Amino acid sequence: SQTIHQWPATLVQPVGSPLSLECTVEGTSNPNLYWYRQAAGRGLQLLFYSVGIGQISSEVPQNLSASRPQDRQFILSSKKLLLSDSGFYLCAWSVGTGDNEQFFGPGTRLTVL
Amino acid sequence: QKEVEQNSGPLSVPEGAIASLNCTYSDRVSQSFFWYRQYSGKSPELIMSIYSNGDKEDGRFTAQLNKASQYVSLLIRDSQPSDSATYLCAVYASNYQLIWGAGTKLIIKP
Repeated sequence: SQTIHQWPATLVQPVGSPLSLECTVEGTSNPNLYWYRQAAGRGLQLLFYSVGIGQISSEVPQNLSASRPQDRQFILSSKKLLLSDSGFYLCAWSVGTGDNEQFFGPGTRLTVL
Repeated sequence: QKEVEQNSGPLSVPEGAIASLNCTYSDRVSQSFFWYRQYSGKSPELIMSIYSNGDKEDGRFTAQLNKASQYVSLLIRDSQPSDSATYLCAVYASNYQLIWGAGTKLIIKP
C-alpha cells in the first residue's frame, strides 16, 4: 500500500530564516506530487505540482520554491521566510493524468514569528 | 475563473439524522469530483469520488452528481459525533489540478 511522509510535523521559524520541508511517497512509482498551503480557517491553495523528476510547475508567485530530486521525493524551500508564510503545508500525491484522487500526507504546521 | 462554492456553515445536525452537504462548480466540462473530510488540525482524507451523473454509495456516505445543474452533494446517513469535521469539495480542472471549495463545517450534536 502507498504511504506518504512529511517532516517536520511542526516548525517555528523567525522571519528571514530559510525553510526546507520534505515529502516522500512509498509504494508507488512516478506519482504526481503536490504542495499545498492552508491558512487558518481557509481552503487549500496549490503552490507547486510535479509530474516527474525535475519537472516543477508553480501556481502562485512567492518566495517559495520546490524541487523533485528523486521520483518519490518532493521538497519545499524558501531562502527567507515572511510572516505571511505561516500556515499548514500539505504534500499530496496522485497517479495517472491528474484527474484522479489526491492523497495527503500528515502536513507540517509552520509558524513564522 | 473556475470556482467551487460551498456553504461555510457550521451545519448542525442531530445524531442519527442525515447530513446533507452541497457544492456547486463553475466549469461545465469538469468530469471528476471528490469529497474530503478534514478534522481540525489534520490533513484532508478522501471520502468519495464520483465521475458519472447519479448516486454513488459507500457505507453511510452517498455522493450525488448532477452535471446539468453543476451540483454535487454528499449525504451522511445515521450521523455520528465522529462525523463532525470540515468537508471539502474538489473538482478536477485541468493540468493535474483540483479546484477546492473552502469547506463546510459539520457539527453532529449528541
